[in-house]
Amino acid sequence: SYVLTQPPSVSVAPGQTARITCGGNNIGRRSVHWYQQKAGQAPVLVVYDDSDRPSGIPERFSGSNSGNTATLTISRVEGGDEADYYCQVWDSISDHHVFGTGTKVTVL
Amino acid sequence: EVQLLESGGGLVQPGMSLRLSCAASGFTFSRYAMSWVRQAPGKGLEWVSTIHSDESTYYTGSVRGRFTMSRDNAKNMVHLQINSLRAEDTAAYYCAKEGYSSTKLDPWGQGTLVTVSS
Repeated sequence: SYVLTQPPSVSVAPGQTARITCGGNNIGRRSVHWYQQKAGQAPVLVVYDDSDRPSGIPERFSGSNSGNTATLTISRVEGGDEADYYCQVWDSISDHHVFGTGTKVTVL
Repeated sequence: EVQLLESGGGLVQPGMSLRLSCAASGFTFSRYAMSWVRQAPGKGLEWVSTIHSDESTYYTGSVRGRFTMSRDNAKNMVHLQINSLRAEDTAAYYCAKEGYSSTKLDPWGQGTLVTVSS
C-alpha cells in the first residue's frame, strides 16, 4: 500500500517560515491535499491539488509537489497556526485515500 | 453553506453493532462522493470508507466485511453500519465531502465518538 511520511514535529518562531514535508514514492505524479487540525477540532482543508487554497485560507499557506516530496509552507507563522497537519492523496491502485503520519507544528 | 453533521456514536461493548449517520446540506448531495475518516485517541487520521455517486463503495482493509457504508440521496444522508466492534475501532468518526473533480475532502463534520469497551 502507498505510504506517506511526515516529520513528527516542526518548531518555528512567530513571523518565521514553517515547511512541512510529505514523502511518498513519485508523489509528484499525484494530487496532494493538506489539512490543519487544531486541538479538539475537526480537520480543515488548507491546500488542495498541490498548491490551491480554499476560500478563506490565508495566502500564508502554500504548497508544492515534485519528485518524491510534497511541501506545505506556512509563511509569517502566527500562534494560531499551531496545530497538527496532515497530507493526503488518493491511491488509484488500491482505491484508497491515504493520509500522512501527521506533523505537529509548535510555535515557539 | 455546506454542512455535515454526524450522529450515532456512543459507548458499546465489543462484538456489538452501531450505525453512524451523517446529515448533509448546502450542496447537491447526489452528485458527490462521501467518505468516513476516523481518528483513534491521540493518533493520526485513518481513512475508513468512501461511497461514490453511483453507490460504489471502498473500504480500508481492517474494516472490510464488518463495516458497510450506504447513502440515502432522498434524505441527503450517508450511514456507516459497524458490526462486530473491536476495541481498536474506538475513535472519533468524521464524515467528509469529496471534491467533484478533485480527491480532496472538504468540508468535514464535527465528528462522532465511538468507544468500544466492556
